Amino acid sequence: GDSVTQMEGPVTLSEEAFLTINCTYTATGYPSLFWYVQYPGEGLQLLLKATKADDKGSNKGFEATYRKETTSFHLEKGSVQVSDSAVYFCALDSGGYQKVTFGTGTKLQVIP
Amino acid sequence: DAGVTQSPTHLIKTRGQQVTLRCSPKSGHDTVSWYQQALGQGPQFIFQYYEEEERQRGNFPDRFSGHQFPNYSSELNVNALLLGDSALYLCASSLTGTGAPGELFFGEGSRLTVL
Repeated sequence: GDSVTQMEGPVTLSEEAFLTINCTYTATGYPSLFWYVQYPGEGLQLLLKATKADDKGSNKGFEATYRKETTSFHLEKGSVQVSDSAVYFCALDSGGYQKVTFGTGTKLQVIP
Repeated sequence: DAGVTQSPTHLIKTRGQQVTLRCSPKSGHDTVSWYQQALGQGPQFIFQYYEEEERQRGNFPDRFSGHQFPNYSSELNVNALLLGDSALYLCASSLTGTGAPGELFFGEGSRLTVL
């Protein structure tokens, strides 16, 4: 079955540091890939997506590239802010009917 | 434009009881999915409703059941509650047929505690 593996947290960074959160996946066919974010006290929200190999999703300074050869979708940001503190979930949809498989989440804490 | 709303936000039940959780999808959406998120874990897919029918189901026992109404709102029912059912239950809405797989809009969840 489908599965997503992402690096365990928590990850603690100083403001303006570079962020990478690793994500690899196992899926049938050619899944669409996502990063969702859960800010404290808020619901899960879509951060970015990529629907085919070599696509790069980007939003709010975050980027992730769909790498089919390494089955990876690592999240990166060049300079994190305190407001980026949240839990980040890597996810996939292999069937196209919005049945989404999530990773376990990586908590990011950014300190001033 | 109202987003996804869920009720209640918190509830406490005892083992063996039954619970009903409710969800109103984002305006214009026709598909509702339910997820269970245990503490420190990612959401796990329970099932999905479209056109008032259960379209897909995850690996959850029959104690978990649901319903979708003509106005697209949905209920999740859990019978014979176990301690392990304690979790945050998330409702996600989406629009079928848009060619936008996996783009879910989530509510803030209903936190269930089973004592």
